[in-house]
Amino acid sequence: NAGVTQTPKFRVLKTGQSMTLLCAQDMNHEYMYWYRQDPGMGLRLIHYSVGEGTTAKGEVPDGYNVSRLKKQNFLLGLESAAPSQTSVYFCASRPGGGSYEQYFGPGTRLTVT
Amino acid sequence: GENVEQHPSTLSVQEGDSAVIKCTYSDSASNYFPWYKQELGKRPQLIIDIRSNVGEKKDQRIAVTLNKTAKHFSLHITETQPEDSAVYFCAASNLSGGSYIPTFGRGTSLIVHP
Repeated sequence: NAGVTQTPKFRVLKTGQSMTLLCAQDMNHEYMYWYRQDPGMGLRLIHYSVGEGTTAKGEVPDGYNVSRLKKQNFLLGLESAAPSQTSVYFCASRPGGGSYEQYFGPGTRLTVT
Repeated sequence: GENVEQHPSTLSVQEGDSAVIKCTYSDSASNYFPWYKQELGKRPQLIIDIRSNVGEKKDQRIAVTLNKTAKHFSLHITETQPEDSAVYFCAASNLSGGSYIPTFGRGTSLIVHP
């Protein structure tokens, strides 16, 4: 099992460009999450999904959109990137059914210039 | 919503010493408290967790204690080793609220000097 994977690992964008980050998990997990990690700020939840076809806003959703068309994939979109979105993005998943451990992906380092 | 404060932000110890990281939470309904370890350049990984129906949980050199009355919980690492150097995050959540949405602390950078 590959676990949770993220694509790409690194990306540099210019202000106003758009991009999509892909998170994939092969563990048949129900729940998936997108976080951003900034120095000294911990992990802040952007959006999450409780199952295929569902999404919900987290703590810092502005400027991002998500989709979960397939159970194994959770996409994070930036429609018009801003320098404030420079961050490390982590995807996580968990199985549900009384199990609360979150399994994180390796992260995507995004720089917006 | 929940607010989690974590202290200290940086902790430097000598190999073999003990390390303690403390977190406080604001929502008295929170009942699940995980701790994650993130080594430099790596992904966070769960190292231990505790539910509100117990006051302490141990796993080899690490332990977590919970004081529900004071709304704080702590991570204890004994006999620290250089490989314990990492950023540690605490989190709190209410498992009764439907979706599991943990609120994370800002992290503690633990440095263990050989």
